[in-house]
Amino acid sequence: DGGITQSPKYLFRKEGQNVTLSCEQNLNHDAMYWYRQDPGQGLRLIYYSQIVNDFQKGDIAEGYSVSREKKESFPLTVTSAQKNPTAFYLCASSEDRGVGNQPQHFGDGTRLSIL
Amino acid sequence: DAKTTQPTSMDCAEGRAANLPCNHSTISGNEYVYWYRQIHSQGPQYIIHGLKNNETNEMASLIITEDRKSSTLILPHATLRDTAVYYCIVRVAFRGSQGNLIFGKGTKLSVKP
Repeated sequence: DGGITQSPKYLFRKEGQNVTLSCEQNLNHDAMYWYRQDPGQGLRLIYYSQIVNDFQKGDIAEGYSVSREKKESFPLTVTSAQKNPTAFYLCASSEDRGVGNQPQHFGDGTRLSIL
Repeated sequence: DAKTTQPTSMDCAEGRAANLPCNHSTISGNEYVYWYRQIHSQGPQYIIHGLKNNETNEMASLIITEDRKSSTLILPHATLRDTAVYYCIVRVAFRGSQGNLIFGKGTKLSVKP
């Protein structure tokens, strides 16, 4: 089935450790996004990418890094510089037909906690 | 992006239509209305979107008033699996960060047997 796969579902980070969250899509979508969701709150954009080998910072990029080496993959690294990483991380993708109104489709998320 | 207002919660009997309202009185001409839902501990699921015409797909119908200041999402035959938080989002049709999805509190729909 076509869709967005995020892994792992649950992840634990030790102090000072970098961790990488995986996001893969087989929808042939050009654009991919990373959001963070805190309990009882909406989504906040971390990074987005409209095309391979290009990405842009979102509203809360500090302490995070991404890469976009392949169209189908957009991994997110939560670095030790992110002081409050405990959250639900969501990856999304959308077609890019140039008009910008295409909906974003989401994976099932990765829940990151601090040990 | 325009602000949206939704009721905090709603109940619906299984098999009946669920009508979820959304007010977006400050919507501008180039802003679309999107509906998503989120079941606990899962990612948001896209439902439907529209600009000014009513829209229908296999999941739901979207009715937008003529002045575009409000809309209603209709689930024609609600099932227990439709229990979720439903988000109405208004955003411009830009790519990337300018098209960022801003989720508010949403409406918690409870479908009861």
